[in-house]
Amino acid sequence: KQEVTQIPAALSVPEGENLVLNCSFTDSAIYNLQWFRQDPGKGLTSLLLIQSSQREQTSGRLNASLDKSSGRSTLYIAASQPGDSATYLCAVSRDTGFQKLVFGTGTRLLVSP
Amino acid sequence: SQTIHQWPATLVQPVGSPLSLECTVEGTSNPNLYWYRQAAGRGLQLLFYSVGIGQISSEVPQNLSASRPQDRQFILSSKKLLLSDSGFYLCAWSEPTGFLFSPLHFGNGTRLTVT
Repeated sequence: KQEVTQIPAALSVPEGENLVLNCSFTDSAIYNLQWFRQDPGKGLTSLLLIQSSQREQTSGRLNASLDKSSGRSTLYIAASQPGDSATYLCAVSRDTGFQKLVFGTGTRLLVSP
Repeated sequence: SQTIHQWPATLVQPVGSPLSLECTVEGTSNPNLYWYRQAAGRGLQLLFYSVGIGQISSEVPQNLSASRPQDRQFILSSKKLLLSDSGFYLCAWSEPTGFLFSPLHFGNGTRLTVT
């Protein structure tokens, strides 16, 4: 059974810092990995999707890497801003075509001005 | 552009009452549709997914059911709610089967409290 773990559970940083969020999964037989952002009481916003054949994806100040063989992914946020404060979730897909995602429990990020 | 609508945003229901949550998607055809639940202190759990009208797959045994009466409409139901059904319910869509790397797009969720 696939299990996804995210460390740390919570993180508080001052504005401007670069930071790394970690995600690990127990079964390396995945098809893709997604990073999401969830604001309090809201739905999830897709940030980055990495295919199993890829090593990384970038979008603006965000960079996600994937090491499938070791079961790890990292989300790097450059020059953090207060607007980045949210819960970040990673999820892995075990099926082709269907996004039957297995989610981690998230990292709650607070960026202070 | 594609949009997903989910309602109601919040709902308080007594134990034993029925439930109907609705989700609609605009701007795409034949999407894959999903219902996830986020319980307090736990990660998101996939409840149901659908690849087409009338086609529903259940991931976990539970007190809930899902239906897809139209291509872009997905409904989550229960005949009698339990306290354990409380949680944050999220509808989502992705591109039709065959798009191997389609991101999952979520609605804003329904906060259900069963009292």
